[in-house]
Amino acid sequence: GDSVTQMEGPVTLSEEACLTINCTYTATGYPSLFWYVQYPGEGLQLLLKATKADDKGSNKGFEATYRKETTSFHLEKGSVQVSDSAVYFCALSDPPGGTSYGKLTFGQGTILTVHP
Amino acid sequence: DTAVSQTPKYLVTQMGNDKSIKCEQNLGHDTMYWYKQDSKKFLKIMFSYNNKELIINETVPNRFSPKSPDKAHLNLHINSLELGDSAVYFCASSHASGRGYEQYFGPGTRLTVT
Repeated sequence: GDSVTQMEGPVTLSEEACLTINCTYTATGYPSLFWYVQYPGEGLQLLLKATKADDKGSNKGFEATYRKETTSFHLEKGSVQVSDSAVYFCALSDPPGGTSYGKLTFGQGTILTVHP
Repeated sequence: DTAVSQTPKYLVTQMGNDKSIKCEQNLGHDTMYWYKQDSKKFLKIMFSYNNKELIINETVPNRFSPKSPDKAHLNLHINSLELGDSAVYFCASSHASGRGYEQYFGPGTRLTVT
């Protein structure tokens, strides 16, 4: 079945440091890929997405590129802020026409803490 | 104007009780989901409804019964609660059976079974 593997956390950085959270996946076909963020005490919010190979999703200074050849979707940000402290989830779902009705398969989540 | 809302936000109850969690979305989506987040933050799909029809039913104990009275509502009823049911339950919704579309999540219901 489909699966998503994220780098182990927690990750602790100083403000303005560079961030990379690795994400790789196993799926048949061409899944849609997502990064969700969960701030403390809140639900999940979509951070960015990509639906086909070589697409780059970006939002709030975060970027991730859909790499079919390496089955990866790593999350990057050039300069993190204290307000970026949260749990980050990589996820996939089947593409339009798929048979899994869009259910999201999540990675285990990576806790990011940014210190001033 | 909350997009996906859940009630209650917190639920503390004893083993053996029956409880319900309600979810409503005002986004006009046709598909709704229940996810369970365990103490290690791992998220797993439980159920999904499309236009009031059950389309995903993962391996979940039959003590859990979802019900969708209309496209905008998806409720979760849990019978004979067990300690292991303690978790955060998230409702979500999306367009077009969710394929390729992002899901919008509610704030979660933290269930504690004592």
